[in-house]
Amino acid sequence: DTEVTQTPKHLVMGMTNKKSLKCEQHMGHRAMYWYKQKAKKPPELMFVYSYEKLSINESVPSRFSPECPNSSLLNLHLHALQPEDSALYLCASSTTTGGYGYTFGSGTRLTVV
Amino acid sequence: TQLLEQSPQFLSIQEGENLTVYCNSSSVFSSLQWYRQEPGEGPVLLVTVVTGGEVKKLKRLTFQFGDARKDSSLHITAAQPGDTGLYLCAGAIYGQNFVFGPGTRLSVLP
Repeated sequence: DTEVTQTPKHLVMGMTNKKSLKCEQHMGHRAMYWYKQKAKKPPELMFVYSYEKLSINESVPSRFSPECPNSSLLNLHLHALQPEDSALYLCASSTTTGGYGYTFGSGTRLTVV
Repeated sequence: TQLLEQSPQFLSIQEGENLTVYCNSSSVFSSLQWYRQEPGEGPVLLVTVVTGGEVKKLKRLTFQFGDARKDSSLHITAAQPGDTGLYLCAGAIYGQNFVFGPGTRLSVLP
């Protein structure tokens, strides 16, 4: 298995909703990442987990809450989002942080209404 | 200030033409990656280069890492419509995570 699987593929949520994005990999990678990508922009790093521990939080607002239940799973919990949070949310993994290549999932297209 | 610059930002060419896109920085990188991203999908890793002066070939794609490990180029020979996409370079300074450049958006017209 050489994939990173993200669900759901599309999500529309209201500003008062609570939702979660899920990411799964079975490559034995010990680093997992959340990126946010706005239209026509490169991915921006949000969070890094290394060996299931949060190692980097790039000053992300608290309405985004990451969770790493085990070495294969990464969640992003969403609460009270704003319309400007609408974007493609990408999960990636690598053997370790600073490893030689990231494997990205296909992303979740999030729309906040 | 962007750590990585990419040029050109946009490129539209006819099928069969050759092209080169560039990735430049004032920083020295321990490694550099190139990705291609299609609309609605995540980036797909094309290559990782780690040694100054390194050249890697992937079918019609040739990647070069500068001698000083501050820049890289991607050359595509005989471009095809399937090469259309956003080409992203990403560099890592030793011990830190990768940072993405702004990308080159390539359109190959049949």
